[in-house]
Parts: sequence; C-alpha cells; structure tokens
Amino acid sequence: NAGVTQTPKFRILKIGQSMTLQCTQDMNHNYMYWYRQDPGMGLKLIYYSVGAGITDKGEVPNGYNVSRSTTEDFPLRLELAAPSQTSVYFCASMPLIIAGLSSGNTIYFGEGSWLTVV
Amino acid sequence: KNEVEQSPQNLTAQEGEFITINCSYSVGISALHWLQQHPGGGIVSLFMLSSGKKKHGRLIATINIQEKHSSLHITASHPRDSAVYICAVNGNKLVFGAGTILRVKS
Repeated sequence: NAGVTQTPKFRILKIGQSMTLQCTQDMNHNYMYWYRQDPGMGLKLIYYSVGAGITDKGEVPNGYNVSRSTTEDFPLRLELAAPSQTSVYFCASMPLIIAGLSSGNTIYFGEGSWLTVV
Repeated sequence: KNEVEQSPQNLTAQEGEFITINCSYSVGISALHWLQQHPGGGIVSLFMLSSGKKKHGRLIATINIQEKHSSLHITASHPRDSAVYICAVNGNKLVFGAGTILRVKS
C-alpha cells in the first residue's frame, strides 16, 4: 500500500513545452485532487475528480487539463508551459466520507512536484 | 471573502505554551480536516472532524457546526511542532485555508 505517488519530483521546463504530472493512488479512493502552492501561499485547487470518468475545474484551471480514466490514476497535463506555472504541485486523494466513521476519512497527499518554467 | 479563513496567519510561541489556531468557514460541509505541512513540503492529515472533539497526543481539535468554526489546540508546545497548519473543508469540493505558520522557540 504505497498511498499517493506523484512523479516527477522535480522538473525544469522551457516556456511553451508541455508535460504531464503523474498521480497514482492504490487505496481505491473516489476523490482525487490537484493543487498548486506558490511560495508563501496556500493550496489552490486546479482540478478535482469524484470518480473515474468525472472531472471538474477548481479555482485555477487555466493552462491545465486532467483525465480520470481509472480510479487509480489522475494525471495533470500542462500545455504550453508559462512562467506563471512555476509552483509546487500536490496530488491528493480521499475516500467517500462515511458519516459517523471515526477513522478512515483521511486525506492523503503525494510528496509534491517542484516545477520551474524558464 | 474566502470560504475558509484561518487565524492567526503567523504565530510564534515559547516552548511549553498552549497554542490555539482557529478556522472559520462559510459553506455547508460534511467534514473538516486539519493538516500539517513541514518545511520541505510534505503534508499530513492530523484530524478529520464532522462533530465534537478529537484528541491525539498533545493535539486537540474541536468543531462547532452551528457556528461554522473549528479550533486546533497544541498543549505543551515543542520546537518540533513548528510547521504550517492548514484547515480544509469538504463541501462539494475540498477547499483549503491559507494556513497558519507556527514557530515554537526553545
């Protein structure tokens, strides 16, 4: 049981390049999220998914795309990278909240992906 | 107005002090989470609350659903508690507060 695995951990991109951040969870969680965190700032939601085949935009979706073809995987694609996308990216997953359950309704985070666009 | 507001933004305490971090939210929620982020970025879940109070070691989290408010308390604080503490709420999506930067001095 590896939890949430994010790759790559570090990447430098040139302006205009594209790349995909991979996120995989092995806990059969329904919910998956992508956040970005700029220096000294809080987490901002880019996209989220409530299950395979379903995705929705968060606060800052422009310049990104996602897909959720399986429960396990939730890749984040950056098209035409811009310096404004320099940030740390976190993937997270969570099971369906079960009311009254005192444990197990926990958010799990990947270790983060440090992306620099130059 | 942000959906989730945390206070204070920054907090410096002496070792041994009792610490309180507050979180207010403006949307209907099914659960509230307290998270800890250490320098270097890793984020771990501390608590998930939908009512009442939970305790884990020196950490206590409470929530008042009617007042839409939660608090995270740290008793007998220690320098290793220095981190960013983040409140997040489950409405129709997971929304985060901006975080509280805690520094505990020895």
